[in-house]
Amino acid sequence: QQQVKQSPQSLIVQKGGISIINCAYENTAFDYFPWYQQFPGKGPALLIAIRPDVSEKKEGRFTISFNKSAKQFSLHIMDSQPGDSATYFCAASHLIQGAQKLVFGQGTRLTINP
Amino acid sequence: EAEVAQSPRYKITEKSQAVAFWCDPISGHATLYWYRQILGQGPELLVQFQDESVVDDSQLPKDRFSAERLKGVDSTLKIQPAELGDSAMYLCASSRPPLTDTQYFGPGTRLTVL
Repeated sequence: QQQVKQSPQSLIVQKGGISIINCAYENTAFDYFPWYQQFPGKGPALLIAIRPDVSEKKEGRFTISFNKSAKQFSLHIMDSQPGDSATYFCAASHLIQGAQKLVFGQGTRLTINP
Repeated sequence: EAEVAQSPRYKITEKSQAVAFWCDPISGHATLYWYRQILGQGPELLVQFQDESVVDDSQLPKDRFSAERLKGVDSTLKIQPAELGDSAMYLCASSRPPLTDTQYFGPGTRLTVL
């Protein structure tokens, strides 16, 4: 019940295209859904996050779509750029003693071809 | 911009040896996390501290791993003895709930056990 399933494992998109990464969860106690971006040799960095009371959140070229009934959420990257090439992790969390306990997906390696 | 500091960045050791990793969270962040990230997978929580107290160490292999945060600021993660399967990236993160749920990650320590 603690798992977060992420797909695809790898994704190749042409510059200017839309990149879409999907995640699914089981635990209905999860109440915070962040996406992290990780470059080789670096730690993950928060990209965008959503709570289940909204169905969509947009920040620049990045959009999270959230479907509470299906227990699924996805990341859309519009106008994908070569600099977006990285590994993306979805995560889900719930509070434990006042702090969020994150469960990560397996990651998606995104390559944007110029 | 404040960052989570970790050292060393890289560590090569032989199996059965002891290793230790250090983390200095962002100033004022009461919550500190240690994660293990196996190559090609998402980070997995090992231990979570709230100030100097352990909140969650359910995934920490306590027969060989130990973690401490004696003064509620910086933290040390130790492995003794190291095994081949411990080769991974060890990530430290910190957060400041309830002000923010965002976890800020350090650059990690890449451990190779020979």
